Amino acid sequence: DVKVTQSSRYLVKRTGEKVFLECVQDMDHENMFWYRQDPGLGLRLIYFSYDVKMKEKGDIPEGYSVSREKKERFSLILESASTNQTSMYLCASSLRRQLTLEIAKNIQYFGAGTRLSVL
Amino acid sequence: TQLLEQSPQFLSIQEGENLTVYCNSSSVFSSLQWYRQEPGEGPVLLVTVVTGGEVKKLKRLTFQFGDARKDSSLHITAAQPGDTGLYLCAGDEIGGGADGLTFGKGTHLIIQP
Repeated sequence: DVKVTQSSRYLVKRTGEKVFLECVQDMDHENMFWYRQDPGLGLRLIYFSYDVKMKEKGDIPEGYSVSREKKERFSLILESASTNQTSMYLCASSLRRQLTLEIAKNIQYFGAGTRLSVL
Repeated sequence: TQLLEQSPQFLSIQEGENLTVYCNSSSVFSSLQWYRQEPGEGPVLLVTVVTGGEVKKLKRLTFQFGDARKDSSLHITAAQPGDTGLYLCAGDEIGGGADGLTFGKGTHLIIQP
């Protein structure tokens, strides 16, 4: 089974702190994603990465950065945490789309989430 | 940006009742997935549908992909408290070069004993 592990289930930080959220997957997936999930807003993509050292902005990258130094690990960084970054953060991974396949089943596997509170 | 609209947003019913939730878009998807998310956990894949008109069954859950691959439904028969959760649909853009999915905002389902 695919396993996506997020380093913390709950975090409480102070405004202005630098925050690191870590995600590790064990299935050799090329793609990794960071989302935040808020009531009424659903899942919103922050950043994704399709290869080591590669990153792409998602829909809401402001206030965040990411790092992918190894294939299995994707880190989300809040440079200076603010109260509006209080949220549930979800990491996901998936196989790179196989363009040779007639039908590509693009499945994302999620971690259990990190609930971050910024005070 | 493609959008997936899910309805209803919230649904609370009694154990044993049947229900249907919907996922609609004006765009065509090569496949559509349903996930269930329990409180405090990440979403877990339930099913992927890839062919227009396809019907898949998972015990008491029946998933259907619309003929035009723009919409999908999830029907639960004789709902149980264990079915409680957030149900998310996610579409894979047809012909898309990127590997991201478009997620709906979800249906919060509560099954009361």
